[in-house]
Amino acid sequence: DQQVKQNSPSLSVQEGRISILNCDYTNSMFDYFLWYKKYPAEGPTFLISISSIKDKNEDGRFTVFLNKSAKHLSLHIVPSQPGDSAVYFCAAGAGNMLTFGGGTRLMVKP
Amino acid sequence: EAEVAQSPRYKITEKSQAVAFWCDPISGHATLYWYRQILGQGPELLVQFQDESVVDDSQLPKDRFSAERLKGVDSTLKIQPAELGDSAMYLCASSYRGNEQFFGPGTRLTVL
Repeated sequence: DQQVKQNSPSLSVQEGRISILNCDYTNSMFDYFLWYKKYPAEGPTFLISISSIKDKNEDGRFTVFLNKSAKHLSLHIVPSQPGDSAVYFCAAGAGNMLTFGGGTRLMVKP
Repeated sequence: EAEVAQSPRYKITEKSQAVAFWCDPISGHATLYWYRQILGQGPELLVQFQDESVVDDSQLPKDRFSAERLKGVDSTLKIQPAELGDSAMYLCASSYRGNEQFFGPGTRLTVL
């Protein structure tokens, strides 16, 4: 049973436009959420996080939105840049343990 | 900038052989994690250490996998014997006391 799901395996966006990556979770015990970015042959790198007591967190071009009632979070990247092309994983945390989604491959076209 | 170190970066082995991966976490990080990531999927936790103690190894296939962190610093993950289905990226991560985990570059294992 997947507790964290990223239903879109891939997303293609034009440079300069907004990228929206989605993530759904089922476990109400998760109390924080993170997004990681992964390039091929590298480990995931942390992008942005949000606590369950907030509904929005912004860091430069990256904004994460959390809808607790829907058990849904999203990552917005605006404007998208070709260097943003990578696999993005959402992760949900309880205590110091993370559960990852399956990832979404983002392709930003010049 | 401090980083999580892992070696080797790539490992090719034949099935039934033994393999070992090494991880050196960021200095001062008490919590260390080993994950397995199969292509097209997210990382799945294999084992979590707090200092030298195992906190969670419920997803570790203990008939063939073992992990240790004897002095509470670096860690080794071993597979013996390796099977074809073990081909994956093995990721090590560490954390201090916050929620963020810092990942190493991973070891890509191919079992032939």
